[in-house]
Amino acid sequence: TQLLEQSPQFLSIQEGENLTVYCNSSSVFSSLQWYRQEPGEGPVLLVTVVTGGEVKKLKRLTFQFGDARKDSSLHITAAQPGDTGLYLCAGESYYGQNFVFGPGTRLSVLP
Amino acid sequence: DSGVTQTPKHLITATGQRVTLRCSPRSGDLSVYWYQQSLDQGLQFLIQYYNGEERAKGNILERFSAQQFPDLHSELNLSSLELGDSALYFCASSLGVNTGELFFGEGSRLTVL
Repeated sequence: TQLLEQSPQFLSIQEGENLTVYCNSSSVFSSLQWYRQEPGEGPVLLVTVVTGGEVKKLKRLTFQFGDARKDSSLHITAAQPGDTGLYLCAGESYYGQNFVFGPGTRLSVLP
Repeated sequence: DSGVTQTPKHLITATGQRVTLRCSPRSGDLSVYWYQQSLDQGLQFLIQYYNGEERAKGNILERFSAQQFPDLHSELNLSSLELGDSALYFCASSLGVNTGELFFGEGSRLTVL
């Protein structure tokens, strides 16, 4: 069974601060995705990383896939209240059958 | 709007009952996935269908069953409901048989009393 761990579980910061959340596993994944989920809604895909060591930037968000394809990080620069939500990482096995989701990091950005 | 439609949005029922959750995937998507989300378990994969056929099975209880119809909509049937089945049930769809990008519906919140 492939398991993903995310840390921290909860994070509350002030607007303008920087933060990094982590997604770790003992398993190797063919790709890894990050989703954001807001209350009352389903998760929405932010990014997919495929290559070990890959870095992708999406405005103030920077995503990195570990060299060994077992871990990933999401860094947010100058966080805004609109960044508030549950951030989920999901790893795809090499068999491509389904994504395994981590438990999420619940981020609260206070104005 | 993801294009994935789930009904009902909210459902309250009693233990021992049976409910059916419905999902219409995004236009053109052939794969449908069902996930259960509870506070202590996170997002748990239940089952995947591709073009009407079961493709992958996760931690789905025997009391639960699903199917995908020729028009590609899917239903998740939950029977002999227990208090612990209370959760958000999400349907997601993707274009192909392998996962790629998942588009999630807004979920069906099931409360078992």
